[in-house]
Amino acid sequence: ILNVEQSPQSLHVQEGDSTNFTCSFPSSNFYALHWYRWETAKSPEALFVMTLNGDEKKKGRISATLNTKEGYSYLYIKGSQPEDSATYLCASYNTDKLIFGTGTRLQVFP
Amino acid sequence: DGGITQSPKYLFRKEGQNVTLSCEQNLNHDAMYWYRQDPGQGLRLIYYSQIVNDFQKGDIAEGYSVSREKKESFPLTVTSAQKNPTAFYLCASSIMAGTGPHEQYFGPGTRLTVT
Repeated sequence: ILNVEQSPQSLHVQEGDSTNFTCSFPSSNFYALHWYRWETAKSPEALFVMTLNGDEKKKGRISATLNTKEGYSYLYIKGSQPEDSATYLCASYNTDKLIFGTGTRLQVFP
Repeated sequence: DGGITQSPKYLFRKEGQNVTLSCEQNLNHDAMYWYRQDPGQGLRLIYYSQIVNDFQKGDIAEGYSVSREKKESFPLTVTSAQKNPTAFYLCASSIMAGTGPHEQYFGPGTRLTVT
């Protein structure tokens, strides 16, 4: 089983702070990297699907980068808001299935 | 509204009983997936199906079975052979592409408790 690692495991920030998390994944047989946001009592929702080395994607205050050669992706949140509080999951698609990391749990305090 | 439904939200069963979890989607997606979540672990893939009447084992398929008789439906049966069935189960679906699945759409999940 391939390992997808996320760090940190949890993060507490003040409203207005910018923050970032890391996802590392196997670079062999890589096809795509997914980021999902999972709010409490809701279903995970896709943020980004990235496939090309050097990809950068942005959705509002959230952006992500991808380095397929070294096997990592960063997720950035600019000016965190309480509504950004959620678990952020990354998942790597290698060969034939999506492997999820354990997630980074973000709490933003007002 | 388009989406994925799972039922029931909470399910309680006695040890030794088989139980079937429902998953239906009206997104016209070819691929469907079942995941299991346990505390402190990532989502783990149980089974997936990329086309009707075909499915593949994921990483933790032992003690589970599935069917894919219709595009919209992908029920999961947790059999009595599953040693630790108490968990949160998530169903998902996606479009398939050459570079793998597009973003996955998840259902609300079913929390199964076996005593």
